Amino acid sequence: DGGITQSPKYLFRKEGQNVTLSCEQNLNHDAMYWYRQDPGQGLRLIYYSQIVNDFQKGDIAEGYSVSREKKESFPLTVTSAQKNPTAFYLCASSQSRNTGELFFGEGSRLTVL
Amino acid sequence: SQQGEEDPQALSIQEGENATMNCSYKTSINNLQWYRQNSGRGLVHLILIRSNEREKHSGRLRVTLDTSKKSSSLLITASRAADTASYFCATVGSGNTPLVFGKGTRLSVIA
Repeated sequence: DGGITQSPKYLFRKEGQNVTLSCEQNLNHDAMYWYRQDPGQGLRLIYYSQIVNDFQKGDIAEGYSVSREKKESFPLTVTSAQKNPTAFYLCASSQSRNTGELFFGEGSRLTVL
Repeated sequence: SQQGEEDPQALSIQEGENATMNCSYKTSINNLQWYRQNSGRGLVHLILIRSNEREKHSGRLRVTLDTSKKSSSLLITASRAADTASYFCATVGSGNTPLVFGKGTRLSVIA
């Protein structure tokens, strides 16, 4: 079935470590997005990519990095520079740039110990 | 930046009742979308309404859009316990910008 796969679902990290969250889609969508969600809060945009080898910062990009080497994949690295990384991370994709419906993965919950 | 602001933040109703959630936004939009999120899961798209539309229906969902007031409402009729979730509105601006989400309304439907 087509969809978006995020892994891992749960991740624990020690302070000072970088971690990479995986996001893969087989929907043949051009655009992909990473959002962060804190308890009881809405979604805040970290990074987005509208085409392979190109991406833009969202509202809270500091301490995060991404790459878009393949259309299907948009991994997010949470670096040690991110001061408060414990959160629920959601990856999404859309067929048309910025105007269409988003399809979401099931999320990755990162906890810093 | 969170453009959409849902109201109320939380809503508790009995099964069979209707649930109404509101969303206000600040700038011109291309379209407005509603999403649902079950606890600990990803978001699921419910409905999209374009800026030139005033009302849209999908099953038990009814969405209205008033661009003059910069507001939208989501009505769920004959609610069920399975409708318990958080509901988010999201807007697409007239510029080339990604969806911006509000903080959501937490709906509890009591059987």
